[in-house]
Amino acid sequence: QQQVKQSPQSLIVQKGGIPIINCAYENTAFDYFPWYQQFPGKGPALLIAIRPDVSEKKEGRFTISFNKSAKQFSLHIMDSQPGDSATYFCAASPWTSGSRLTFGEGTQLTVNP
Amino acid sequence: GAVVSQHPSRVICKSGTSVKIECRSLDFQATTMFWYRQFPKKSLMLMATSNEGSKATYEQGVEKDKFLINHASLTLSTLTVTSAHPEDSSFYICSAGRGQTNQPQHFGDGTRLSIL
Repeated sequence: QQQVKQSPQSLIVQKGGIPIINCAYENTAFDYFPWYQQFPGKGPALLIAIRPDVSEKKEGRFTISFNKSAKQFSLHIMDSQPGDSATYFCAASPWTSGSRLTFGEGTQLTVNP
Repeated sequence: GAVVSQHPSRVICKSGTSVKIECRSLDFQATTMFWYRQFPKKSLMLMATSNEGSKATYEQGVEKDKFLINHASLTLSTLTVTSAHPEDSSFYICSAGRGQTNQPQHFGDGTRLSIL
């Protein structure tokens, strides 16, 4: 019940494409869903996050779609660029920063020029 | 934005050495800090959660005598890998949170530990 399932494991798109990464969770106590971007040799950086009171959140080229009934959420990257090539992790937790995050397995995204 | 500084970024040492990694929250008070371990091409694995002024809570399977965590102030937590062996080689990452507030956790840049 604590797991967050993430897919795909890896993804290759052309520049300008729209990669979509999906996550699913079971624990209904989760009400905070962040996405992290990690470059090799660096720590994860918060990209965008959503709470269940909205179904979509957009920040720049990054959009989270959230389906509460299905317990699924996804990250869309519009007009992807080679600089977006990184590993992306979804996560979930109860809504306090003192709560432990449960991470997905990660998606390695490659955006070809 | 919030900044978490982790030091050192990389350390190489001989087997049997103890290694200390520092995690500092530079512009906020971190009531809770988390320590993760990450293997190549894998997700983050939570090792322990530490709250300022109290003992750390370790995840199942993590040896507390092997990985000593101290969170003596609201801006500093340390992880000491005692008597390190090659199997302890990994990427260690800390994150800091402000406790019961609606602010997200922020991660350090990690420490690459290599035990020869």
